[in-house]
Amino acid sequence: GIQVEQSPPDLILQEGANSTLRCNFSDSVNNLQWFHQNPWGQLINLFYIPSGTKQNGRLSATTVATERYSLLYISSSQTTDSGVYFCAVNRGSTLGRLYFGRGTQLTVWP
Amino acid sequence: EADIYQTPRYLVIGTGKKITLECSQTMGHDKMYWYQQDPGMELHLIHYSYGVNSTEKGDLSSESTVSRIRTEHFPLTLESARPSHTSQYLCASSVRGGDIQYFGAGTRLSVL
Repeated sequence: GIQVEQSPPDLILQEGANSTLRCNFSDSVNNLQWFHQNPWGQLINLFYIPSGTKQNGRLSATTVATERYSLLYISSSQTTDSGVYFCAVNRGSTLGRLYFGRGTQLTVWP
Repeated sequence: EADIYQTPRYLVIGTGKKITLECSQTMGHDKMYWYQQDPGMELHLIHYSYGVNSTEKGDLSSESTVSRIRTEHFPLTLESARPSHTSQYLCASSVRGGDIQYFGAGTRLSVL
């Protein structure tokens, strides 16, 4: 399978701060998704971004497929941003199964 | 956000009980998946399905079984629950030919 490494494993911020989360993967991929897992365990889709850059409000993501990494930027953090951020990839097989990293645990203090 | 539903959200049961975790989606997606997630860890694929009457085991060995009799329904069954089955189980779906997976809210299972 594909190895997915996320860094940092933990991140503690004051409200209003900016942050960058990184995802490295070991092979070429056709799909990369960023998720936010809230304290109740639900996975929320943030971005589908196999390559390029996308923005959605205070969040943006960039994937450089040729260098096998993706970055998630969070600007002006809010307490509701707390939770675990997962990166997941697949090779675009007909199965479409995702390989997940271990996540970044983000805590935002007021 | 996608329409994929899991029930129950939380379940506490005794060892040896048979349980079924329900997963339904209303989007007509062909592909469905079950992932298992231990606390603080990544998700691992345990079962998947390409469509009706198609089921396969994933990477992580699991004593659970699944069925896919209808497109919208993909239940997971444990014949005899054990404490080692305590975990969160997440169901997902995607359209055939598409890559984006949508997840349900998950079921947190505790086996005493």
